[in-house]
Amino acid sequence: GQQLNQSPQSMFIQEGEDVSMNCTSSSIFNTWLWYKQDPGEGPVLLIALYKAGELTSNGRLTAQFGITRKDSFLNISASIPSDVGIYFCAGPWGSTGTASKLTFGTGTRLQVTL
Amino acid sequence: SAVISQKPSRDICQRGTSLTIQCQVDSQVTMMFWYRQQPGQSLTLIATANQGSEATYESGFVIDKFPISRPNLTFSTLTVSNMSPEDSSIYLCSVGQGRNQPQHFGDGTRLSIL
Repeated sequence: GQQLNQSPQSMFIQEGEDVSMNCTSSSIFNTWLWYKQDPGEGPVLLIALYKAGELTSNGRLTAQFGITRKDSFLNISASIPSDVGIYFCAGPWGSTGTASKLTFGTGTRLQVTL
Repeated sequence: SAVISQKPSRDICQRGTSLTIQCQVDSQVTMMFWYRQQPGQSLTLIATANQGSEATYESGFVIDKFPISRPNLTFSTLTVSNMSPEDSSIYLCSVGQGRNQPQHFGDGTRLSIL
């Protein structure tokens, strides 16, 4: 599958700060997904983006589908301790049957200091 | 979204042995997938579990090492065969909703091989 690179790889932030992270690809995607993985759990879907230029919010989270379709951005406003975890972008590719396979980004590890 | 249960949640195994991981979904789903997440790494697709036919494996994964069963639309198993310490990972199953749509994940099986 395609390689998705996430930046930054990890970050420490103060509670209350805003966070920005991005995901880039060498290939075009028609859908961008953002997941969060807490320790000991599977990834949980945060936001799905389906159209180039689309901006979608989920509470304090806002994600954008890049206009080139090769990148996506996730912002978290006013971070809180429960935002700690690993954030993954993912892109569907290579449809198999009635669903697409997913390729995952390298991940951004978020740690919040009180 | 579907509720996905994996068993066991974790295990410690001896090298050379095999372990079968179960994935149960609370509703009928067409597509199920198995992923591996090595320590500190992102998720990598192992195979697509096809109901009523052989699984479709990604490059680098083979049926002899990771046999998969999919006897019905709510259940799948992944066996990790002849385990070595390099197989120590989290193994996750997921269900697909449709083309270019998100997948939803179980909480994973944390496997350590001594």
